[in-house]
Amino acid sequence: QVLLEESGPGLVQPSGTLSLTCSVSGASTTTYDWAWVRQPPGKGLEWLGSVYFSGETKYNSSLGGRVAISIDMSKNHFSLRLYSVTAADTALYYCARHYKDYFMYWGQGTRVTVSP
Amino acid sequence: EVVLTQSPDTLSLSPGERVTLSCRASQFISRYLAWYQQKPGQAPRLLIYDASNRPTGIPARFSGSGSGTDFTLTISSLEPEDSAVYYCQLGSNWAPYAFGQGTKLEIK
Repeated sequence: QVLLEESGPGLVQPSGTLSLTCSVSGASTTTYDWAWVRQPPGKGLEWLGSVYFSGETKYNSSLGGRVAISIDMSKNHFSLRLYSVTAADTALYYCARHYKDYFMYWGQGTRVTVSP
Repeated sequence: EVVLTQSPDTLSLSPGERVTLSCRASQFISRYLAWYQQKPGQAPRLLIYDASNRPTGIPARFSGSGSGTDFTLTISSLEPEDSAVYYCQLGSNWAPYAFGQGTKLEIK
């Protein structure tokens, strides 16, 4: 059974860096492709970026280069960093595992608020 | 950039009814489309991928069709637990993995 769990600070200062980790069990981060998706309060889903088992990364260009995703194979987790955050980055952040170019397994999400 | 537009935005139906949700792409995307179901307080669940394929464990009352720019998700006989928001998603890595804005389905 594949399980994903997001963790990280629930509050981030404006202009700061949002850092989240997704811990994976039941699958190896070296074998599959992984992604981050977010959902602002009361709104829809937005793909942030993906990291592929090849080592390649792809990001949503709407984030203006503020995002970085990496894998820590030794700990079987992957991470999200979002730089220069504003209130518009307040959202529920999900990590997910790809199946082809879709998202088959999801974490339960972690809520992040950007506020002084 | 491909934009996905879903319709309708909301609808309210009764158990046992058949419903069809629509997702239209702003350009040709072959069959690279998925559908998700999201219930309140839960993560999205993948219902359909590659336009018409159901992952293991998804009930047969959910079906998908379409290709090119027009896609549909059909629920053949609504159950009370089908009350949710449904999203379509572009599944092609030559473009961002865009989501539609969602259709909220209420079961009366």
